[in-house]
Amino acid sequence: RKEVEQDPGPFNVPEGATVAFNCTYSNSASQSFFWYRQDCRKEPKLLMSVYSSGNEDGRFTAQLNRASQYISLLIRDSKLSDSATYLCVVTHNAGNNRKLIWGLGTSLAVNP
Amino acid sequence: DGGITQSPKYLFRKEGQNVTLSCEQNLNHDAMYWYRQDPGQGLRLIYYSQIVNDFQKGDIAEGYSVSREKKESFPLTVTSAQKNPTAFYLCASSIPSGYGYTFGSGTRLTVV
Repeated sequence: RKEVEQDPGPFNVPEGATVAFNCTYSNSASQSFFWYRQDCRKEPKLLMSVYSSGNEDGRFTAQLNRASQYISLLIRDSKLSDSATYLCVVTHNAGNNRKLIWGLGTSLAVNP
Repeated sequence: DGGITQSPKYLFRKEGQNVTLSCEQNLNHDAMYWYRQDPGQGLRLIYYSQIVNDFQKGDIAEGYSVSREKKESFPLTVTSAQKNPTAFYLCASSIPSGYGYTFGSGTRLTVV
């Protein structure tokens, strides 16, 4: 079982739709959680950090469920420009270092 | 503006040659990382460095070498021992906690 698992998709949705992605992680000692966005043939860019209380940034809402070990990303009122791959990232301590574990990503295509 | 610069953007290598990928950051980050991304495999960690003059192997270090002589620079050498070097290489930096993780725009290496 991978340490961080995501549904690869693709998710095909019309403009204006609401879409949700989930990500599960296996290490209960994981400490920090992030969602990154990666456009085709580009580098990943931080979309948002995920906090225990949940957090919102415009049309994007992130939630963390530590008991069930999953995080989610909700996108409301989808735009064509939201088409990308969304990467879930989880961190935990490995010795003296902080280790980032990357999911394989969920592909989203928003259609006109 | 602060950021990470990777060069070159595209690189072609003949089999049996060593090549060096450049990564420079002016974010004053202590930690720097090299990843490789292949289609369907997500990001895999090659090497990382938490401080100048120190670096650690990641999950797929065989066939690669790095140096960290300056805080700003973390070059990656792909040696002839790397059997499948064709990939998208991403450099990143962060503060020690893993927050502020920022990627360069990547180098696409192709073996011809």
